[in-house]
Amino acid sequence: KQEVTQIPAALSVPEGENLVLNCSFTDSAIYNLQWFRQDPGKGLTSLLLIQSSQREQTSGRLNASLDKSSGRSTLYIAASQPGDSATYLCASLKLTGANNLFFGTGTRLTVIP
Amino acid sequence: NAGVTQTPKFQVLKTGQSMTLQCAQDMNHNSMYWYRQDPGMGLRLIYYSASEGTTDKGEVPNGYNVSRLNKREFSLRLESAAPSQTSVYFCASTLARTYEQYFGPGTRLTVT
Repeated sequence: KQEVTQIPAALSVPEGENLVLNCSFTDSAIYNLQWFRQDPGKGLTSLLLIQSSQREQTSGRLNASLDKSSGRSTLYIAASQPGDSATYLCASLKLTGANNLFFGTGTRLTVIP
Repeated sequence: NAGVTQTPKFQVLKTGQSMTLQCAQDMNHNSMYWYRQDPGMGLRLIYYSASEGTTDKGEVPNGYNVSRLNKREFSLRLESAAPSQTSVYFCASTLARTYEQYFGPGTRLTVT
């Protein structure tokens, strides 16, 4: 079974800092990797999707990279803002019968004004 | 375009009661999923439906049943609720071309 790990579990940074969130997975035979944001008491919002053939995706201040061979993905947030405070989840997809996502437990980010 | 919608948002049940969680998507997606989210455990797949008329078990199906009523709707039923089913339940659907998953806002269920 695919195991997805996110370290650290929690991170606090001052406003304006650039930061990197880490995601690792045990089975490199993934189809894609998706990063989500979850605000307290809310659902998951998709941030970036990286297909297995890609190495990175960018959206605004967010950049996600994927290294399948090492089983790692990173989410880079530039010039962090208090509104970025949330839990960030990564999930990998394998094309098995379910085609379901395997989730990490998330990194809770707090950006301090 | 509402995306994925879920009802109810909150529910409290007593042990042994039954209920159905509703999910609908208006994106014409073929595949739909039910996950549960528990602290420290991440999201885990309960059931999924690859297409209208088909359903299959995921990682944690015990105590649940599902119905794929049509392409838009996928419901999750708890026949006899147990405290261990206290959780947040998310419905999701998948864009076939990229397999990107879109999630609903969740149902927060407490079983006492």
